[in-house]
Amino acid sequence: GAVVSQHPSWVICKSGTSVKIECRSLDFQATTMFWYRQFPKQSLMLMATSNEGSKATYEQGVEKDKFLINHASLTLSTLTVTSAHPEDSSFYICSATANSPLHFGNGTRLTVT
Amino acid sequence: KQEVTQIPAALSVPEGENLVLNCSFTDSAIYNLQWFRQDPGKGLTSLLLIQSSQREQTSGRLNASLDKSSGRSTLYIAASQPGDSATYLCAVRAGANSKLTFGKGITLSVRP
Repeated sequence: GAVVSQHPSWVICKSGTSVKIECRSLDFQATTMFWYRQFPKQSLMLMATSNEGSKATYEQGVEKDKFLINHASLTLSTLTVTSAHPEDSSFYICSATANSPLHFGNGTRLTVT
Repeated sequence: KQEVTQIPAALSVPEGENLVLNCSFTDSAIYNLQWFRQDPGKGLTSLLLIQSSQREQTSGRLNASLDKSSGRSTLYIAASQPGDSATYLCAVRAGANSKLTFGKGITLSVRP
């Protein structure tokens, strides 16, 4: 089955630093990748949709200058949390699709101290 | 705007019980509906995917049904086991390349 690899699985960083999260589709070419965020005991909230080679489309309320998304190839999308603050601590999950069921990564637990 | 609701938020049952998890959505114009399992601190595992033209899907002890017109889906778990303890998320999709809209999930605890 299709596999989506997300890295790192967890990261701890200091306030003010930037963190990059990678999402790779290992055995298929993902035309579209989605980035979700999940707070404890809450549902997954879509942050942005990215298509290869074009700018990401951000959901209302998500700061595009804070959460930089790059989808440079059909198998890789990155989310960079810039100048992270404690309130950015959350679980970030990517998903990828190629006109097929969505496949999810295992998520990244970000803790900002 | 699509909204997905899952009630109750938590459920505790004794081992061996058959149970039904409910999901409702406000916009019936969906492309498909998917049920996921999420273990604490982990990512999502897809359990069942029902296309809009389908009424149900089965996998092992799991059966998911879809009633698009009424905006409802149920996930039936037969002979529940402690290993079934997890959060079950329902999500709907409007189109082939559209995002998934998730419910908040139902946290299931199966007592030995």
